[in-house]
Amino acid sequence: NAGVTQTPKFQVLKTGQSMTLQCAQDMNHNSMYWYRQDPGMGLRLIYYSASEGTTDKGEVPNGYNVSRLNKREFSLRLESAAPSQTSVYFCASSRTSGGGSDTQYFGPGTRLTVL
Amino acid sequence: DAKTTQPTSMDCAEGRAANLPCNHSTISGNEYVYWYRQIHSQGPQYIIHGLKNNETNEMASLIITEDRKSSTLILPHATLRDTAVYYCIAWGGGNKLTFGTGTQLKVEL
Repeated sequence: NAGVTQTPKFQVLKTGQSMTLQCAQDMNHNSMYWYRQDPGMGLRLIYYSASEGTTDKGEVPNGYNVSRLNKREFSLRLESAAPSQTSVYFCASSRTSGGGSDTQYFGPGTRLTVL
Repeated sequence: DAKTTQPTSMDCAEGRAANLPCNHSTISGNEYVYWYRQIHSQGPQYIIHGLKNNETNEMASLIITEDRKSSTLILPHATLRDTAVYYCIAWGGGNKLTFGTGTQLKVEL
């Protein structure tokens, strides 16, 4: 049981390049999330998917797109990377997205640098 | 979600209990108290959560005061590997977990 996995672990991009961050969970969770964490800052929600087939914007969605490929996988795409998107990206999942007892479990993160 | 207040940093000797306090005086009745930790920019690791009653699992114990305005996370026998930033979160559900600045716990020999 690997929990939440993310690929790649590290990535360096040039401004304007595109890439997709992959996330998968093996806990049969319905809800999945993408956060970013800038140095010395808290996590900010980019997008989430409450259930398979649905996605919604979080607090910082600009410059990103997501795809809930199936129940297990939730990808985050940067179409035209900018230096302001240099950050650590965390994927998380939870059984549902409703109640306060639905614990979110996090992946190990992808460290992205945009030059 | 209710605001939480934690000390910026704490030290603990290895093998001793680490008691991390959290104040959440404006917590509402449906908000759970969650604790996560983050070790050196790794992904946040879930530790424990509770609503009213004290909780214990293999990692830690959570003591919530009767009025629910504060709580304490207890790591019973801290090791060097417990050095991390510990986040206390009052959360009523929804989508976005809000991590504050947390407590930097340093476990020393």
